[in-house]
Amino acid sequence: ILNVEQSPQSLHVQEGDSTNFTCSFPSSNFYALHWYRWETAKSPEALFVMTLNGDEKKKGRISATLNTKEGYSYLYIKGSQPEDSATYLCAFIANAGKSTFGDGTTLTVKP
Amino acid sequence: EPEVTQTPSHQVTQMGQEVILRCVPISNHLYFYWYRQILGQKVEFLVSFYNNEISEKSEIFDDQFSVERPDGSNFTLKIRSTKLEDSAMYFCASMEGQGYTEAFFGQGTRLTVV
Repeated sequence: ILNVEQSPQSLHVQEGDSTNFTCSFPSSNFYALHWYRWETAKSPEALFVMTLNGDEKKKGRISATLNTKEGYSYLYIKGSQPEDSATYLCAFIANAGKSTFGDGTTLTVKP
Repeated sequence: EPEVTQTPSHQVTQMGQEVILRCVPISNHLYFYWYRQILGQKVEFLVSFYNNEISEKSEIFDDQFSVERPDGSNFTLKIRSTKLEDSAMYFCASMEGQGYTEAFFGQGTRLTVV
């Protein structure tokens, strides 16, 4: 059983705060690491697909880094807005398409 | 914009009955997946499918589950004899490439076993 852990479990911030979450995964048999954003009553939406150690990806105010040797990825949100409120999931892709999701970090941004 | 569609959106079934959940992946995608989320719990991988066969499956995906791509467009998940604990949201996803491209998820089917 692959262990993919996300922390913190939940986060409450004020509008304008910057925040970050962590995804920890096995450092062996790495193939890819995905970040998804999941709003209530919707399906998960991909944010980033990360494949190389040292990858840094950015989409607007959201960015992510990847360290495959030590087995972690950080997701950063700069200047959080209420519309950023969602659950952020990471998924560790090993081989043959098997993916293991973390439990997610639920972000609530208060106006 | 291409999307993954799932039907039905909600299915209620009696324990012991067979259900088929249907998905239409994005047309040029090659990898297909089923996931489920039991209420209040994390998303769980069930199975991946490529080239008309299962490429990987989890411990959850036991003999009561099966997948099929019957006509080149639909991708189905069959649960032969449903149990109460099968109640969950079932999500279908498709990927153009294995792992190195993003997965596109359907809106999910809420299965309620009574």
